[in-house]
Amino acid sequence: EADIYQTPRYLVIGTGKKITLECSQTMGHDKMYWYQQDPGMELHLIHYSYGVNSTEKGDLSSESTVSRIRTEHFPLTLESARPSHTSQYLCASSETGRGRITEAFFGQGTRLTVV
Amino acid sequence: QKEVEQDPGPLSVPEGAIVSLNCTYSNSAFQYFMWYRQYSRKGPELLMYTYSSGNKEDGRFTAQVDKSSKYISLFIRDSQPSDSATYLCAMSGRNYGQNFVFGPGTRLSVLP
Repeated sequence: EADIYQTPRYLVIGTGKKITLECSQTMGHDKMYWYQQDPGMELHLIHYSYGVNSTEKGDLSSESTVSRIRTEHFPLTLESARPSHTSQYLCASSETGRGRITEAFFGQGTRLTVV
Repeated sequence: QKEVEQDPGPLSVPEGAIVSLNCTYSNSAFQYFMWYRQYSRKGPELLMYTYSSGNKEDGRFTAQVDKSSKYISLFIRDSQPSDSATYLCAMSGRNYGQNFVFGPGTRLSVLP
């Protein structure tokens, strides 16, 4: 079982609020990812990080921001939530040492609803 | 053309059937291949991880990679209603900077 945790699991929040989605992993993985997934739709990479103090934008443009101050922690922040941000947000991690990339492990996701 | 193609289904089979799920890809640099199972409203769960061509078996699941044809498969034997989920293929290359590329997923229903 993967040791990657996301909180909260479900969040309903009003328009204009600032929110932070938490993601932590205890596997010591250097690379971490945030994906956005609408119901029944594909995964879209929105942010990733190679390690501490590294953050990169993914393939899908997002108004969210991320930070990586500690290896195990990769929070995602929305400064002003809008209904268009309603979606499921999935955090994942993988190891990239020893010349190869390991499989990605996912958290259970945060289902965000902005009203 | 997308880098990874996967029939989205839905695919419905009777309990006990053998299920074949497939992905094709265009990037010959892909070396690592994964299959994930995702239940509704949950995160994807890793089922199989393979490197290079060949077969890998784990219980009722068999993953097959044919790099010459750029084609990967997941076979589920003796399918159960609990196998009803969306199955995603994913792949990556050796390049440290390369991210995983996921297929859109195939929705599978196993009917009792």
